Amino acid sequence: DAEITQSPRHKITETGRQVTLACHQTWNHNNMFWYRQDLGHGLRLIHYSYGVHDTNKGEVSDGYSVSRSNTEDLPLTLESAASSQTSVYFCASNDGGNIQYFGAGTRLSVL
Amino acid sequence: QKEVEQNSGPLSVPEGAIASLNCTYSDRGSQSFFWYRQYSGKSPELIMFIYSNGDKEDGRFTAQLNKASQYVSLLIRDSQPSDSATYLCAVNLAGIQGAQKLVFGQGTRLTINP
Repeated sequence: DAEITQSPRHKITETGRQVTLACHQTWNHNNMFWYRQDLGHGLRLIHYSYGVHDTNKGEVSDGYSVSRSNTEDLPLTLESAASSQTSVYFCASNDGGNIQYFGAGTRLSVL
Repeated sequence: QKEVEQNSGPLSVPEGAIASLNCTYSDRGSQSFFWYRQYSGKSPELIMFIYSNGDKEDGRFTAQLNKASQYVSLLIRDSQPSDSATYLCAVNLAGIQGAQKLVFGQGTRLTINP
């Protein structure tokens, strides 16, 4: 079955380190998204992509970057992790229709 | 003012009753609206979407849209304990057909009491 997978599921890192969260989908969807979820804030869009080599900033993009070199993957990089980036991160994909399919999430702790 | 606002709850409803979840949005140009359900510790899943003013029904769920009042609601009839979850309202701000750029509300936590 086609799916969307995130790795790692849990990550503990130190302030100032570079961290990359992986997102891989096998549906061949053009649209991919990264969100963070914090208590009281719902889901907030970090970056999104509508196709290979296309990336766009969302509402909370500072301190994060993405690149899209193929259809299947949209890795999210924290250039220099900060404690404020402790959160649950969700990746999602969409084929242009109504449904965004979410990965299982990555719980990141920055100490 | 946040772009999409929901009452964070918690909302407690007895089993078998109607649960009513509300959402307001600020962008008058928004065209499509979504309700996602998220169980504790899990990822969100789409349960309803609505584009046109009025009601849209799917089983026990009814989405209601009033663009003039910038208001979206979700009704759950015959509420079951399995409906206990956080419900996220989302509005699509993308102006390109086939594209999505969703803005989510903070979510309403719903508890159905047996």
